[in-house]
Amino acid sequence: RKEVEQDPGPFNVPEGATVAFNCTYSNSASQSFFWYRQDCRKEPKLLMSVYSSGNEDGRFTAQLNRASQYISLLIRDSKLSDSATYLCVVPNQAGTALIFGKGTTLSVSS
Amino acid sequence: EPEVTQTPSHQVTQMGQEVILRCVPISNHLYFYWYRQILGQKVEFLVSFYNNEISEKSEIFDDQFSVERPDGSNFTLKIRSTKLEDSAMYFCASMVGLPPLHFGNGTRLTVT
Repeated sequence: RKEVEQDPGPFNVPEGATVAFNCTYSNSASQSFFWYRQDCRKEPKLLMSVYSSGNEDGRFTAQLNRASQYISLLIRDSKLSDSATYLCVVPNQAGTALIFGKGTTLSVSS
Repeated sequence: EPEVTQTPSHQVTQMGQEVILRCVPISNHLYFYWYRQILGQKVEFLVSFYNNEISEKSEIFDDQFSVERPDGSNFTLKIRSTKLEDSAMYFCASMVGLPPLHFGNGTRLTVT
């Protein structure tokens, strides 16, 4: 299994839709997980941190399944401004670096 | 809110030339990183730095690359002899001690 693997996308959804992205990871010892958002040609920006079973922040919910080594990100009531690439990020085996998935591209249209 | 700052925003250089990319991490952060992103590809880890030494480096970070923290504020990435394939966006990041990472705006390096 690759260190971090994400749904390839792209996801094209209308405004108001609910969309979910999946991510699997290989390091079973990982204690922390992150979803970053990246707009075109910009730096990644932290969206959510996940340290236990999940986290919720407004329209965004992240869930963690340690047994399956799987993290998901759910976006409810999608807005045009949610259009971006969503990056799943987990620590490497040694815990000395954060490793990024390839990202899933979301396009929300009106 | 404190920010990681990177300079320059865009650097154009000829193949074989040396470049130095500069970063000023957030002042109370202790861990420093360089990542790169080739256009259209994933964000790739290059190197992590803590306590004035490299703590981890990837396969990409070969002998052509070096990092330095010359004073209390700057963190630099040097590429000794640039190749065409070094063209990418280079991101500096820092953290206090635990994640998450805070990224700078990046330096776009174009090697011609």
